Amino acid sequence: EAEVAQSPRYKITEKSQAVAFWCDPISGHATLYWYRQILGQGPELLVQFQDESVVDDSQLPKDRFSAERLKGVDSTLKIQPAELGDSAMYLCASSFTPNTEAFFGQGTRLTVV
Amino acid sequence: DAKTTQPPSMDCAEGRAANLPCNHSTISGNEYVYWYRQIHSQGPQYIIHGLKNNETNEMASLIITEDRKSSTLILPHATLRDTAVYYCITHGSSNTGKLIFGQGTTLQVKP
Repeated sequence: EAEVAQSPRYKITEKSQAVAFWCDPISGHATLYWYRQILGQGPELLVQFQDESVVDDSQLPKDRFSAERLKGVDSTLKIQPAELGDSAMYLCASSFTPNTEAFFGQGTRLTVV
Repeated sequence: DAKTTQPPSMDCAEGRAANLPCNHSTISGNEYVYWYRQIHSQGPQYIIHGLKNNETNEMASLIITEDRKSSTLILPHATLRDTAVYYCITHGSSNTGKLIFGQGTTLQVKP
């Protein structure tokens, strides 16, 4: 069964350092999402891509976060510099179109110390 | 997308049916009802979705009231592995694809 792949599964980093997460969506899925989930809360959308274009990054803290999907396939989410408040689960999801069900990866658990 | 209301927690005996309610009284005509679940420390898992008619797949059944203001997710024979947070989300066919997660219902399946 096709899955959304994310790496790393866990990441510990010191504050002020840079950190990057990688996502490989299900083959053929044009829509890709990055969500952040703080412990005890539901996931919140950070950025959404349609192919290689950003369609929604309204909740992305652009002073420190960046996301790219250069060839419209896999994607990278970067944080520089990391802050203590960035500790969370970062989830990638993909869907065939924006109007079809999204499938999530296992996430990257980030701890900033 | 319409706001949804779910009970914060529910218990269910193993082997029995789990019925998880969701209120979405402000749902509009083109909005689907989606259900996802999240097992501890894993990513959310898609379960099922529907617009007007009841739906069934290998995981669950979705019953939507005729006025579409509420729905129920049914797990017919709950197992311990069904213990998770269940999210009910409305999702319009004309929106960008963004899912708005609430607090969900924590379902505890007990032996």
